[in-house]
Amino acid sequence: RKEVEQDPGPFNVPEGATVAFNCTYSNSASQSFFWYRQDCRKEPKLLMSVYSSGNEDGRFTAQLNRASQYISLLIRDSKLSDSATYLCVVNRRGSSNTGKLIFGQGTTLQVKP
Amino acid sequence: DADVTQTPRNRITKTGKRIMLECSQTKGHDRMYWYRQDPGLGLRLIYYSFDVKDINKGEISDGYSVSRQAQAKFSLSLESAIPNQTALYFCATSDLGPGGSYEQYFGPGTRLTVT
Repeated sequence: RKEVEQDPGPFNVPEGATVAFNCTYSNSASQSFFWYRQDCRKEPKLLMSVYSSGNEDGRFTAQLNRASQYISLLIRDSKLSDSATYLCVVNRRGSSNTGKLIFGQGTTLQVKP
Repeated sequence: DADVTQTPRNRITKTGKRIMLECSQTKGHDRMYWYRQDPGLGLRLIYYSFDVKDINKGEISDGYSVSRQAQAKFSLSLESAIPNQTALYFCATSDLGPGGSYEQYFGPGTRLTVT
């Protein structure tokens, strides 16, 4: 079983739709959680960190459920420019606080006009 | 100017050749990383470095070596390239974010093809 699992999609949605992605992680020692966005053939870019209390940044809302070990990303009022692959990322701290990240495969979103 | 740069951006090389990928950063971060990305496999960590004197293997270090020449520079070498090292390679740096966790910032990537 992969340490971080995502549905690869693609999710095809019309402009203006609300879409949600989930991600599950297997290691309960995971400490920090992120969503990164990656455009085709480009580098991943940090979209948002995910805090225990949940957090919102404009049209984007991230939630963390530690008991069920999943993270979610909600995108409201989808734009064409939201089309990308969204990577769920987990930091598993060891005794040395390594700052190593474990990446999911990514979920592809295609927003259609 | 980009904070994290990689050279070359694209490279085609032959099996058995030695190749070096270079990464430079102007972010002033101590921590640097090398990843490779393959379709369907996501990003996998090759090597990471927490400072000039601290270098560590990641999950797929076989066939690779690194050099941390300075805080700002971290190079990845393939001593004898093989076709299954064809991939997109990313360098990244990290620093503590406002939430107390290490956020990573990626370079633009190097697309390497080994024939």
